[in-house]
Amino acid sequence: AQSVTQLDSQVPVFEEAPVELRCNYSSSVSVYLFWYVQYPNQGLQLLLKYLSGSTLVKGINGFEAEFNKSQTSFHLRKPSVHISDTAEYFCAVSERIAGYSTLTFGKGTMLLVSP
Amino acid sequence: KAGVTQTPRYLIKTRGQQVTLSCSPISGHRSVSWYQQTPGQGLQFLFEYFSETQRNKGNFPGRFSGRQFSNSRSEMNVSTLELGDSALYLCATTSAGGNTDTQYFGPGTRLTVL
Repeated sequence: AQSVTQLDSQVPVFEEAPVELRCNYSSSVSVYLFWYVQYPNQGLQLLLKYLSGSTLVKGINGFEAEFNKSQTSFHLRKPSVHISDTAEYFCAVSERIAGYSTLTFGKGTMLLVSP
Repeated sequence: KAGVTQTPRYLIKTRGQQVTLSCSPISGHRSVSWYQQTPGQGLQFLFEYFSETQRNKGNFPGRFSGRQFSNSRSEMNVSTLELGDSALYLCATTSAGGNTDTQYFGPGTRLTVL
């Protein structure tokens, strides 16, 4: 069975500073990797996903993530955050061998951007 | 395209009651997954339906059940409610439910059990 660990439950950062949200996964098989964002009182929205190919994946709103197979990590980065990036971020995996999509999520990281 | 719709948005029930939540997928989406979100356990997979058939199920007791209709709308039911069932219930839909597909989430139904 796969599992996802998000190492930080909260990350406070000042506006225009860079940020990295960490995600490590554990699985006995190959996985697909996803980052979702949840704004208050809303559902989740996909930021980016890694399926194959280049290990650096670019997503919406200036976010990017890098897949590192040897370290089983998929950290999310943004070079300069805005107040509007304040939200909860979830890393998720889906097993490649499964024919259908069942996401296993991490516990989430709350990104708090202050002026 | 209209997004994923969940009704009701908020619900208050008492222990022992049962509840039914509804999810209307994006037009053309045939796969509907349900997740429970709580502060302690995070997001946990409940079950997934495709073409009116349950294809996958998470590790939840039998009090949690669901179904899907021919128009792909899905309902989930929780019987004999317990305090611990208080949570945000999210549904997510994809066109075919493949494991590379992007899941589109609804806003959720906030269930409070008193």
